[in-house]
Amino acid sequence: RKEVEQDPGPFNVPEGATVAFNCTYSNSASQSFFWYRQDCRKEPKLLMSVYSSGNEDGRFTAQLNRASQYISLLIRDSKLSDSATYLCVVNRGFQKLVFGTGTRLLVSP
Amino acid sequence: DAGVIQSPRHEVTEMGQEVTLRCKPISGHNSLFWYRQTMMRGLELLIYFNNNVPIDDSGMPEDRFSAKMPNASFSTLKIQPSEPRDSAVYFCAISAGGNTGELFFGEGSRLTVL
Repeated sequence: RKEVEQDPGPFNVPEGATVAFNCTYSNSASQSFFWYRQDCRKEPKLLMSVYSSGNEDGRFTAQLNRASQYISLLIRDSKLSDSATYLCVVNRGFQKLVFGTGTRLLVSP
Repeated sequence: DAGVIQSPRHEVTEMGQEVTLRCKPISGHNSLFWYRQTMMRGLELLIYFNNNVPIDDSGMPEDRFSAKMPNASFSTLKIQPSEPRDSAVYFCAISAGGNTGELFFGEGSRLTVL
């Protein structure tokens, strides 16, 4: 079993739709959590951190459930430019980040 | 961007050849990471350095892989001899500092071993 599991997708949604991605992690000692975004044939870039209290950045909302070892990302009012792969990331400590294999999102006109 | 320059951007080589991938953070950083990305396995941490010292190389697949960081502004990842299963995108990344979880990645080196 992978340490960080994500549904690979692709999620095909129309512009304006709301879409949610989920992720589970197996190491209960994981310290912090993030979502990264990776465009096709580009490097990953940090999208946002994830906190237990939930956090929002514009159209993006991230949530962590430590008891269930579950992380989510919600994107509201999807834009064409949101098309990318979203990587769930867990920090094991000492800056050792473990990446999920990613969920691909395709937003169509 | 924080600036991590990787070279070569693309390399095609034949099985058995030596491959050297290079990473130059534009400004010196304490922590440097080498990742490998494939479709099947995603991003895997190979090795990371702190203050030029290898801290964790448990992700290095086997003895054919080696990495060095002779100074704060330069690192290499070497594969000798290369095999087709080494075909992947190799990313170098530097930490934003603290425990922020933010890594700044280079654009990657896409390696194809025939």
